[in-house]
Amino acid sequence: DAKTTQPPSMDCAEGRAANLPCNHSTISGNEYVYWYRQIHSQGPQYIIHGLKNNETNEMASLIITEDRKSSTLILPHATLRDTAVYYCIVRPWGGNNRLAFGKGNQVVVIP
Amino acid sequence: DSGVTQTPKHLITATGQRVTLRCSPRSGDLSVYWYQQSLDQGLQFLIQYYNGEERAKGNILERFSAQQFPDLHSELNLSSLELGDSALYFCASSVENSPLHFGNGTRLTVT
Repeated sequence: DAKTTQPPSMDCAEGRAANLPCNHSTISGNEYVYWYRQIHSQGPQYIIHGLKNNETNEMASLIITEDRKSSTLILPHATLRDTAVYYCIVRPWGGNNRLAFGKGNQVVVIP
Repeated sequence: DSGVTQTPKHLITATGQRVTLRCSPRSGDLSVYWYQQSLDQGLQFLIQYYNGEERAKGNILERFSAQQFPDLHSELNLSSLELGDSALYFCASSVENSPLHFGNGTRLTVT
């Protein structure tokens, strides 16, 4: 599986947009970028995924660079409940659908 | 609520014992995945079942086994338990090529 690189931790201000970066420079053409988060020992929660176009849903937006070597997850208005470990994962379409989690990015939303 | 149900929520047992963790996937999901999360290892993929058949194996010990039943629920059996098996065990489910949705886990404590 292609690997991803995220900062180990970051702080965000409550009410502001939180921009979470991820590098995946060895991503293959058939690999999607997935984002999950884990709030304090709860099960990982699916946020969003994309291939090469930008995606938006009710939780977040995903911006993928044109060369697909990096992406940014945007939480438009961070709240204290967004404090969590965020995982950026690349996953091939088809074949083995398992997710390989790295260490993630511990995001703390500060009042 | 992800729709994935795991029981029990907590389990405390002694070394050498055997336990069974249960997972009910989301309605319609044919794939079930098991993950282990310990403090020093992060989220580790153990095994995947698809419609009753084993599809992929990860870092699963020989003392551990799993199965998926005709009603699609799955059980993870852990035997000859050691202190190091203390961890959170998560189950996830999906349909083919769709995002995985995780349950809230079973916290196993081996004393």
